[in-house]
Amino acid sequence: DGGITQSPKYLFRKEGQNVTLSCEQNLNHDAMYWYRQDPGQGLRLIYYSQIVNDFQKGDIAEGYSVSREKKESFPLTVTSAQKNPTAFYLCASYGIPEAFFGQGTRLTVV
Amino acid sequence: GQNIDQPTEMTATEGAIVQINCTYQTSGFNGLFWYQQHAGEAPTFLSYNVLDGLEEKGRFSSFLSRSKGYSYLLLKELQMKDSASYLCAVRVKGRGGGYQKVTFGIGTKLQVIP
Repeated sequence: DGGITQSPKYLFRKEGQNVTLSCEQNLNHDAMYWYRQDPGQGLRLIYYSQIVNDFQKGDIAEGYSVSREKKESFPLTVTSAQKNPTAFYLCASYGIPEAFFGQGTRLTVV
Repeated sequence: GQNIDQPTEMTATEGAIVQINCTYQTSGFNGLFWYQQHAGEAPTFLSYNVLDGLEEKGRFSSFLSRSKGYSYLLLKELQMKDSASYLCAVRVKGRGGGYQKVTFGIGTKLQVIP
């Protein structure tokens, strides 16, 4: 079955620690995106990538980093520089016309 | 940047029809998505419009007018399970036409009542 997988579903980290969220897809999509969603708010774009080894900053990239070493994988690192990291993180991959999200990772920093 | 506007909340009655509007202001428009998101879950893809007109998929239809920067999602024969947020997202062409940024409106929370 083709799809997009995020792991883990829930993640707890101590303040000051970096944490990496996984996103894998087997849809053969070129484009992959990371969004953040806070309670009662819309999705905000963190980073996006159209091809392997290239990516662009979205609207709220500060405190985050990404890599795109393989077409199937687009991991997101939430660094200690991100001032308010607790949120619901969503990864998406886009084909034409279909577009799919992973199940999301709910990150809580304590 | 992109300005994407949707009503924040709507209420409709089970069995009725509801229209959720989305307006946008952007350059390099290259398509509009609609998603459904139930509370606490990831969004699920509903439709994609890149040309003007109406696309129908069962109880859901989506319309686009590029000249007006306007889209709507039409839900027919509403069911209680349709209570969710509906997200409008716009894709724009990026540098060199290669990169395509997709940004979202805040979403419309629809409540279906008996």
